[in-house]
Order: sequence, then structure tokens, then C-alpha cells
Amino acid sequence: EAGVAQSPRYKIIEKRQSVAFWCNPISGHATLYWYQQILGQGPKLLIQFQNNGVVDDSQLPKDRFSAERLKGVDSTLKIQPAKLEDSAVYLCASSLDGSFYGYTFGSGTRLTVV
Amino acid sequence: QKEVEQDPGPLSVPEGAIVSLNCTYSNSAFQYFMWYRQYSRKGPELLMYTYSSGNKEDGRFTAQVDKSSKYISLFIRDSQPSDSATYLCAMSVANNAGNMLTFGGGTRLMVKP
Repeated sequence: EAGVAQSPRYKIIEKRQSVAFWCNPISGHATLYWYQQILGQGPKLLIQFQNNGVVDDSQLPKDRFSAERLKGVDSTLKIQPAKLEDSAVYLCASSLDGSFYGYTFGSGTRLTVV
Repeated sequence: QKEVEQDPGPLSVPEGAIVSLNCTYSNSAFQYFMWYRQYSRKGPELLMYTYSSGNKEDGRFTAQVDKSSKYISLFIRDSQPSDSATYLCAMSVANNAGNMLTFGGGTRLMVKP
């Protein structure tokens, strides 16, 4: 079974620029999550999708972050404009039915904002 | 106060030692308690999960939950250099589409040969 694919692996941008991350979940997984992991901290949930609908985006900074999951498969997370404090690893995870033991994380995109 | 607190370490032990990793939490609504292992530049992977208070064993790993004290532990016996990683505790609350995880900050473990 292929894992959760994320790209790019690394990205360096200047503050106030925009950036987009892409995630391809495990085939058939209905639930998709984006987490932000700042260096030395645990992952923090940004947004949860069930198919192509948003279930929880209460911790997403909506003034600069946006996410979509078209057709209930791939997802993109965008930051516009980026701030220095957005430097982090952005992890995508998917789950077949929302159960935590079915969670599979991708390797993440490491974003550095300079 | 964070919902889940975890000592960041780093924790350095010799090979073969018993390792104890701990988390405390404040939200009584948490239902499941998990331990994830995260190697450098990789995503977290689930090691163990428990639901009720008590112990659960899986090979060299034992997870312990004390709901009355809001305290969970992970013990690693006969630690190996390959166990060197960051260990994250996580706890879940069900929402209308499954489980939402709240993570601790992680403890970095180094097992020296």
C-alpha cells in the first residue's frame, strides 16, 4: 500500500511570498488532515476534511491560510502571505474512517520563511 | 496551560536501559491515549494506543494510563540505538468525522551503543 505522498519536501521563501503544499492521501481514505509542526513541538491540527467537506478548521489562521480538497482526493494547503513564524513542517495525514489507529502521516514539507 | 504536557528532553540512555517517557493532560474528555514515534525528517508513526486506565504491553513497549491522575507513560525495555527518535504522546476526542488528535511536544530519546 502506497503511503501518504507530499510535495515538495523542502521550500524556502521570503516573508510575504505565497506558497502551496500538495498532499495525495492513501487511496480510499476519506479523512484527510493537515498538521503544522514547529521545531521542537508536537503537530498541531490545522484542518480536517471528510471527503471534500471541511469538518474542523478552528485552528487554521484563515486570514493567510487556505486549504481545499477537490473531488475528495488530493489536497492543497496555501499560505499567502507567509510570515516568519510559519516556518515549520507541514504534515498531511489520512485515515480510512477517521479512526486514529488508521492514521498514516506523510513525511511532511519543511517550510523555511526568511 | 497546554492541554498535553511532555518533557522535551533530550533523554540520553545507554543501550539496554529501561526508558520511561511521560505525559500529563488536563482535558477529561480525552478518550484514547497514543504514543507515536517520529524519526528525523519523517512523519509520526503509531506505536501503541490504549483506551482505559491500566497497562498494555507490546513486545519491549508498555503503555500505562492513569486517568485519575491524568498521567500516561511509555516504558521501553532493553532499549536499542534504533529506538533513538522523538516520542510523541497524543490523545483523542471524537468529533463528527472521527478522532481529532492533540499531541504533546515530544521527548527526544537518544540510545547510545
